[in-house]
Order: sequence, then structure tokens, then C-alpha cells
Amino acid sequence: QSVLTQPPSASGTPGQRVTISCSGSSSSIGGNTVIWYQQLPGTAPKLLIYKNNQRPSGVPDRFSGSKSGTSASLAISGLQSEDEADYYCAAWDDSLNGYVFGTGTEVTVL
Amino acid sequence: QVQVVESGGGVVQPGRSLRLSCAASGFTFSSSGIHWVRQAPDKGLEWVAVISHDGNSKYYADSVKGRFTISRDNSRNTLYLQMNTLRAEDTAVYYCAHPSPDDDYARGGLDVWGPGTKVTVSS
Repeated sequence: QSVLTQPPSASGTPGQRVTISCSGSSSSIGGNTVIWYQQLPGTAPKLLIYKNNQRPSGVPDRFSGSKSGTSASLAISGLQSEDEADYYCAAWDDSLNGYVFGTGTEVTVL
Repeated sequence: QVQVVESGGGVVQPGRSLRLSCAASGFTFSSSGIHWVRQAPDKGLEWVAVISHDGNSKYYADSVKGRFTISRDNSRNTLYLQMNTLRAEDTAVYYCAHPSPDDDYARGGLDVWGPGTKVTVSS
């Protein structure tokens, strides 16, 4: 089961800033880097952020990540309709000796 | 262009076995670790397993430990997932995912995903 907790949903109007939280523990986020994925309906996940705040090439700078202690956040600024998707955080967990995903957050653009 | 494509999914009865494959291309397969991740219908992502580039290190989710085995054939550029004693709760789309070369192979971001292969466990 997931050991990273996210809010089930978030929403905003076009152009707004939306923030998604991801809460873990000392064995997960506290001791490892955080990753964020975007999953559009019916498609495979896409890497958005790695090493807490690094964007792969091609990911718009509207997406930014941060980490503090045992929590992390993904911010989407200048929200666009194509940002409607599910977002997952992830991290390695040293206690489980495995990779864990967050519970997922569905972002809706109003 | 880095690409991974899964195959081998299907409908299987509870208690039976199935082997998934993941064909890789566009990168030096023998130098890269690689993961399996699954997603049950209308559920979130669940990590399954990871294997190092040489197959010497393997890690599994508790939910599959002792039933699933991850392996690879570097001569065929292919990753496998042997799934034994299947349960209804193993029903999911199974993805293989390639780690970002800019990150740790086991602990870091997964930057290339296949389209997935669907496994249904049902009598």
C-alpha cells in the first residue's frame, strides 16, 4: 500500500496556480529524492520532476517541485486545460526497500 | 529513440502463472536498470519490482514478494516478469519503465514508459 499521501483532488481556473502536496516519512521523502508524474486519461505516466525539483527536457517551466523535511509539493502555475490529469509523487522508501507512489491527485481545470 | 514495449498480458485463472515481457530499444539495455509498475482498474500506480543492469540486484514490493520474479536477458534486450500464484488483486495494466539516465536507477525518476499490457485474473 502507498505510504505517500496526497489530496485526492485539486482544481483551478485557467491561469491560476495550483499546488499539490505529498506527505511521507523519514524513511521515504525524508531520506530520498522526490519524483512527480503526470498521467493523462488512458495513457502511461509521464515524468514531470525528478531529484525534487529537476525538470526533464520538454517539461514546461510552469511545473515546479520542492521538498521540505518529509513532505514535498508540486506547483503548476499558469494552469492550462491540458493540465487536467492525475498527478503522482514517488520516492524510494528505505524501510520497505522499495519504490512507493503517492495516492494520486486528480487536477481539474474549471 | 528510447522505447519499451510490453507483451504477454491476458486473462488467467487465479492460482495460475503468466510471464510478461518488455522489449527495449534505442538505448544500451545492458547498462540500464529497469522497473515494472502496475495500475489496477481505476486505481493509482503501484510499483512492482526493479532489476539492476546486470541482474544482480532485485527489489520487490511486499505485495508480490515470493510470487513474482523479475529477470532480464541482455542478449535479447528483454525484461521479464514471471508471475506465479496469481490473485484477483493482481489484475492491472503492467508497465515497464526505464530510469532517467540523470538519476539513480532504482530510486529515481522513470522517464520512458511502455504502453502497458493488461492482465486479468479471473475464473
